[in-house]
Amino acid sequence: QQQVKQSPQSLIVQKGGISIINCAYENTAFDYFPWYQQFPGKGPALLIAIRPDVSEKKEGRFTISFNKSAKQFSLHIMDSQPGDSATYFCAASSQAGTALIFGKGTTLSVSS
Amino acid sequence: EAQVTQNPRYLITVTGKKLTVTCSQNMNHEYMSWYRQDPGLGLRQIYYSMNVEVTDKGDVPEGYKVSRKEKRNFPLILESPSPNQTSLYFCASSFSRSNYEQYFGPGTRLTVT
Repeated sequence: QQQVKQSPQSLIVQKGGISIINCAYENTAFDYFPWYQQFPGKGPALLIAIRPDVSEKKEGRFTISFNKSAKQFSLHIMDSQPGDSATYFCAASSQAGTALIFGKGTTLSVSS
Repeated sequence: EAQVTQNPRYLITVTGKKLTVTCSQNMNHEYMSWYRQDPGLGLRQIYYSMNVEVTDKGDVPEGYKVSRKEKRNFPLILESPSPNQTSLYFCASSFSRSNYEQYFGPGTRLTVT
């Protein structure tokens, strides 16, 4: 019940295309859903986050879509660029929890 | 500059030789955590600390120890490292436990032969 399932494991997108990464969770107590971006040789860094009282959050080319009833959320990267090539982790946590629960990650490659 | 620092960045050691990976943050964060990252397994939490002298086990604590004697420091101790502890380790900190942005250090790549 504490798991966050992320798919796909890897993704190749052409420059200018849309990258979509999906996550699903079981624990209905989760109330914070961040996405982290990790470049090779670096630690993960917060990219964008959403709370379940909204269905969508957009920051530049990055959008989180949230479906509370389906217990799913996804990251959309519009106009994907080679500089977006990185590993992306979804995560979830709750106020009562003690940790962020991470998905297993998606390696995105944007070809030019 | 707000940051989390880890040392060393790279370490090759032999089975059974005690080692410590240091972690320090300059943001006055209460919550600190250690993760290990392995291919196909993502980020798994080893130990966390919600404040000074308050630590608890994460998902994969076996073979590790931690201490939190000062707010800014959270060292990870491997008293008798084994090859299955070869991994990439990250320290992270945040204002509070779960619902706030976690700031990650640059990582420590550990190889145990």
